[in-house]
Amino acid sequence: GENVEQHPSTLSVQEGDSAVIKCTYSDSASNYFPWYKQELGKGPQLIIDIRSNVGEKKDQRIAVTLNKTAKHFSLHITETQPEDSAVYFCAAGVTGGGADGLTFGKGTHLIIQP
Amino acid sequence: GAVVSQHPSRVICKSGTSVKIECRSLDFQATTMFWYRQFPKQSLMLMATSNEGSKATYEQGVEKDKFLINHASLTLSTLTVTSAHPEDSSFYICSAGDRKKGQYFGPGTRLTVT
Repeated sequence: GENVEQHPSTLSVQEGDSAVIKCTYSDSASNYFPWYKQELGKGPQLIIDIRSNVGEKKDQRIAVTLNKTAKHFSLHITETQPEDSAVYFCAAGVTGGGADGLTFGKGTHLIIQP
Repeated sequence: GAVVSQHPSRVICKSGTSVKIECRSLDFQATTMFWYRQFPKQSLMLMATSNEGSKATYEQGVEKDKFLINHASLTLSTLTVTSAHPEDSSFYICSAGDRKKGQYFGPGTRLTVT
């Protein structure tokens, strides 16, 4: 089955700086890579996703890059703000969208220092 | 994004009783819904995939007779934890998936078995 590794487990950055979270996956059949933000006691919120036919996708301060050859993808958050503090999960799926169960990374606790 | 609701948000039950959790896709018809389990400070683990009108597909190690899933319509899936024990205490999160929209999560249900 799929295995998703996520690093780092904790990331502390100064407000205004950039944050980068990296994930690798093992199953070359995976073609859907979403990122979720989870605040304490709440469900995960989809913040951005990328499909395997695209190498990069950007939405305002958030961007995701995908390297299919190396089987890794990364989340980039620029101009970080205190409200960006949360746990971020990467995930991988096979069907190119949300119609299949996802395999999650272990999560990254992002701390934005004021 | 899509909106997924769960009810109840919190439930406390006695050991040996059963608990039902509802998951609703509010603004799109989800042919596939998923149930995940999350222990404190850990990642999400897929329990089962639920397709409307058919039997759920359970992940390895998940007891289908203990975690009963019903997907009666394109907008409603239910998870019933039968004969609950303290080790079943966890955060249960559902999601609704679509190949075009991606996968969206509900707010979660905190189950505590005493």
